[in-house]
Amino acid sequence: EIVLTQSPGTLSLSPGERATLSCRASQSVSSSSLAWYRQNPGQAPRLLIYGASSRATGIPDRFSGSGSGTDFTLTISRLEPEDFAVYYCQQYGSSTGFTFGPGTKVDIK
Amino acid sequence: DVQLVESGGGLVQPGGSLRLSCAASGFTFRSYRMNWVRQAPGKGLEWVSYISSGSSNIYYADSVKGRFTISRDNAKNSLYLQMNSLRAEDTAVYYCARGDSVTGAAFDYWGQGTLVTVSS
Repeated sequence: EIVLTQSPGTLSLSPGERATLSCRASQSVSSSSLAWYRQNPGQAPRLLIYGASSRATGIPDRFSGSGSGTDFTLTISRLEPEDFAVYYCQQYGSSTGFTFGPGTKVDIK
Repeated sequence: DVQLVESGGGLVQPGGSLRLSCAASGFTFRSYRMNWVRQAPGKGLEWVSYISSGSSNIYYADSVKGRFTISRDNAKNSLYLQMNSLRAEDTAVYYCARGDSVTGAAFDYWGQGTLVTVSS
């Protein structure tokens, strides 16, 4: 089973600042199978990034994803009010199924 | 617009059963892989089950294997989750989510969720 670890657990930043979120896998993950989601309070998750670095439909370019192997990063270049939320990384493996990380909460400093 | 609308949640006693439904619209349902994902109160996301577009491939999380059954009716544009032998730890909001058309590995659209509470 692949375990995803996200850091930090909580990130306290101000609007307009840059956010860098990390997702580390316990073993190598195919880049095509790594995704990032944002979940605002009381709402369903929303897909931000798929294939480690491709933005989903309608996602603004302040969101970018990078990484390969076991280390992946989600970067938000300038935080907007709606970006203060919880972020999850997720991976798919043919023998391991789908796995989510525990999440990183981005809150207002 | 793509829409996924879950229903069927509610309060059930431990050991009981519940059937969740997800009504899909705004896309060609029969062409997409579908999933159920749950979220316990105040907790993170947990993938529950996957079904391929034609129902030939089905997978479950170990935590629900043998108790839950995923199915779909492409003629009715509907996804289902039959949940038996429910436990307190199954209490969660259950989301249906569509697998993306490019990789199938990401969930590009989600419903609003339906709450299942297992309690005596």
